[in-house]
Amino acid sequence: NAGVTQTPKFRILKIGQSMTLQCAQDMNHNYMYWYRQDPGMGLKLIYYSVGAGITDKGEVPNGYNVSRSTTEDFPLRLELAAPSQTSVYFCASSYKGDNSPLHFGNGTRLTVT
Amino acid sequence: GESVGLHLPTLSVQEGDNSIINCAYSNSASDYFIWYKQESGKGPQFIIDIRSNMDKRQGQRVTVLLNKTVKHLSLQIAATQPGDSAVYFCAENGSGGSNYKLTFGKGTLLTVNP
Repeated sequence: NAGVTQTPKFRILKIGQSMTLQCAQDMNHNYMYWYRQDPGMGLKLIYYSVGAGITDKGEVPNGYNVSRSTTEDFPLRLELAAPSQTSVYFCASSYKGDNSPLHFGNGTRLTVT
Repeated sequence: GESVGLHLPTLSVQEGDNSIINCAYSNSASDYFIWYKQESGKGPQFIIDIRSNMDKRQGQRVTVLLNKTVKHLSLQIAATQPGDSAVYFCAENGSGGSNYKLTFGKGTLLTVNP
């Protein structure tokens, strides 16, 4: 049982480039989330999904897109990378949509120069 | 201790001592709270959670205390070990009650000296 797996671990992008951060979970969780973590700040929710085919914006969705074609996968897309998107990105999943702890992956450290 | 909104505080303890990490939350409607541990270069790891209908919950070497009157949460780690060195942060579910309404604190850096 691998839990939540994120790839890649590190990535450097030039301004304007695009990329997809991959996230997969093998716990059969319906709920999945993308967060970004900036130095000295709490996690901020980018997007979330309550099940396959359903996604919704979180607190900081601008500049990102997501899709959820299967229960297992929840990729995060950056279309036009900007320096402000330099951050560590965490994917998480949970068994329920409330009162249920989130299980996190080990993150993708992204630098945009 | 930390607050959902303050700069990262630090706590340094000797191996074998007990550690207490504090968290002040702002939303009196929050009814679910979670503690996470984050080691350097890794994702947050769930430690323990507590619902607002409880004042105390115990796990293996950890205890979470909830004081709703003053909106305060604490994590106690017994017999702290070097492997406990990490950033610890709390989360509250806010008025929405849903996981996508979770507010995360910035964390407290715990350093355990051998």
